[in-house]
Amino acid sequence: AQSVAQPEDQVNVAEGNPLTVKCTYSVSGNPYLFWYVQYPNRGLQFLLKYITGDNLVKGSYGFEAEFNKSQTSFHLKKPSALVSDSALYFCAVRDRGNAGNMLTFGGGTRLMVKP
Amino acid sequence: KAGVTQTPRYLIKTRGQQVTLSCSPISGHRSVSWYQQTPGQGLQFLFEYFSETQRNKGNFPGRFSGRQFSNSRSEMNVSTLELGDSALYLCASSYLGQRGETQYFGPGTRLLVL
Repeated sequence: AQSVAQPEDQVNVAEGNPLTVKCTYSVSGNPYLFWYVQYPNRGLQFLLKYITGDNLVKGSYGFEAEFNKSQTSFHLKKPSALVSDSALYFCAVRDRGNAGNMLTFGGGTRLMVKP
Repeated sequence: KAGVTQTPRYLIKTRGQQVTLSCSPISGHRSVSWYQQTPGQGLQFLFEYFSETQRNKGNFPGRFSGRQFSNSRSEMNVSTLELGDSALYLCASSYLGQRGETQYFGPGTRLLVL
């Protein structure tokens, strides 16, 4: 079975400061890893994904994430936070060995960026 | 390209009724997945359809069903609604649903069961 943990329900950061949203995963094989963001009353917007190759993945809106196989982590980062980054962030995993397209999501982390 | 569209956006039903939600994937996408989002359980996978066949199913009761049409549009149906079915239902599409393809989500249908 695959699972994702986002240990922080909320992350608070001042505008202009770097931000990190944490994610750890568990799969039986090698993972595909994703980050999505959700704004109020909206669906999920894709930010970035790790498939293979370089452990540092760059995505939309200046976000990046680092895949760490030994720590089974895929933390989301941004060098300088914006107030408009305030939203709900979800990490998701898919086991490469599984057929089909089922994503398992973490519980979400609310990011609050204060001016 | 137009994104994933879902109709209706909001729905109010009473216990015991049934409901049908619709999802139109991004043009050319053949895999459609459905997820339920609630404050208590978070985002949970319902099922995935590809080429009109259910390929994966999550851990939901048989009251939850779905289908996919030849144009890849998908519907999900919930029969005998319960209060706990109140949720945001999200549809996602991808080209083939293979390997590391990205799933693109629609805006969701918010269902309230009274």
